[in-house]
Amino acid sequence: AQKVTQAQTEISVVEKEDVTLDCVYETRDTTYYLFWYKQPPSGELVFLIRRNSFDEQNEISGRYSWNFQKSTSSFNFTITASQVVDSAVYFCALSEAGNAGNMLTFGGGTRLMVKP
Amino acid sequence: DAGVTQSPTHLIKTRGQHVTLRCSPISGHKSVSWYQQVLGQGPQFIFQYYEKEERGRGNFPDRFSARQFPNYSSELNVNALLLGDSALYLCASSFRGTSGPRSSYNEQFFGPGTRLTVL
Repeated sequence: AQKVTQAQTEISVVEKEDVTLDCVYETRDTTYYLFWYKQPPSGELVFLIRRNSFDEQNEISGRYSWNFQKSTSSFNFTITASQVVDSAVYFCALSEAGNAGNMLTFGGGTRLMVKP
Repeated sequence: DAGVTQSPTHLIKTRGQHVTLRCSPISGHKSVSWYQQVLGQGPQFIFQYYEKEERGRGNFPDRFSARQFPNYSSELNVNALLLGDSALYLCASSFRGTSGPRSSYNEQFFGPGTRLTVL
C-alpha cells in the first residue's frame, strides 16, 4: 500500500528565511512518481513538480529546490529566501505506475506561513 | 484551451439530502478522477473513470457513486449526506487511464473544486 507522510503540520518563518518541507513515502512499486502541490486559500491545487522514481537528480527552479533520496524514501522541498506569497498549504503526493488507475496518494499537508 | 471545469463552485445541503457534482475534463482527455478533501487534510481518492468505465475506487461507502458520459464529462453523486461529507471535491482529468513505464506519466490536471457544506 502506498503512503505519504508530512510530519510538519505547520511551519512559520519570517520573510527571506529558507524553509524545508519534509516528505516521506512508502511504496512497494519500483516505478512511481512523486509530486509537490501548492494550495493557496482559494483551494485550487497548483502543480509544482513531478519526479520519477528512476531519476534521483535533484532539481532547482528559481527559489524552489527538491531533494529526492530513494535510500531514505524522502522527497523534501526547500524554498530559499521565502516570501509572503509562498504562504499556502503544500502537499506531497505519490502515484504508483502499477496502479490499475491513476490514483494519487497525498500526505496530510504542511501549512507554511511566511510573515513579513 | 479551457482547463478542467467543475460546477457548482459552492453548494449547501442538509443532512440526508442528495447532491450531484459535475466535472468537464480538458478537451481530448478521456479519464476523470474524483478526490475529497476534508478541511485540514490532504485530498483522498474517490473514483477514477476512463472511457466511461470505473477503473479505480477508493475507500468510500456506497453512498458515493459516479459515472462518465460519452463526452467524457463526469458526475459524482452522494446520497444520504452526512455532516462529515462537508469537503472540497476535486476533479482531475488526464488523457489516458494509467501511467506507463519510464517517462510516460499520465499527467493529471485538477479543477478548481466544488466546496460542499452539509448542515
